[in-house]
Amino acid sequence: ETGVTQTPRHLVMGMTNKKSLKCEQHLGHNAMYWYKQSAKKPLELMFVYNFKEQTENNSVPSRFSPECPNSSHLFLHLHTLQPEDSALYLCASSQESMGPTNPAFFGQGTRLTVV
Amino acid sequence: GQNIDQPTEMTATEGAIVQINCTYQTSGFNGLFWYQQHAAEAPTFLSYNVLDGLEEKGRFSSFLSRSKGYSYLLLKELQMKDSASYLCAVKSGQNFVFGPGTRLSVLP
Repeated sequence: ETGVTQTPRHLVMGMTNKKSLKCEQHLGHNAMYWYKQSAKKPLELMFVYNFKEQTENNSVPSRFSPECPNSSHLFLHLHTLQPEDSALYLCASSQESMGPTNPAFFGQGTRLTVV
Repeated sequence: GQNIDQPTEMTATEGAIVQINCTYQTSGFNGLFWYQQHAAEAPTFLSYNVLDGLEEKGRFSSFLSRSKGYSYLLLKELQMKDSASYLCAVKSGQNFVFGPGTRLSVLP
């Protein structure tokens, strides 16, 4: 248990569906991240939120839409996805400060399959 | 650009010591992190270095040389449960940039 919870753990969706992934962190952190992990590729950063403000969008297609209503919750809204979007989607959180660098802690991920 | 390299696969024997290397070239540097990831599970944090030198945490140690853009993770007294992927990551600006991971197989 890392203190970061993701739901659902598994999701199968059609290309015309709309679904949302949820992430919640219980660590009191102020930064949250979405990463995509595809087979045989490094983790790819998708979005970063710092103090609820989006600070980085790593050229992600608009069919992925993030939402961060508060510093503990992060959503990833999905619509009209493609089969190549099938991957493990990982949420992480960290404590950002002007002082020492802190590690990121990951949730268990959502295994997404687009059919 | 951002580039992090690690060996793709390594094999070692139970009870042995293994060193996993990581080289990096990133536009910024705020620390180097090592994570362990078992199949179909989340990456879990192992160790990190901000300054040059060796950090020891039980059976795991991590070394950093910022001038060489080089780090290694040292695993001692290997156990079967250490079979996993080991991810090297650099904090660059707001981003944790990850390497491709090294798949370690521990054999009896």
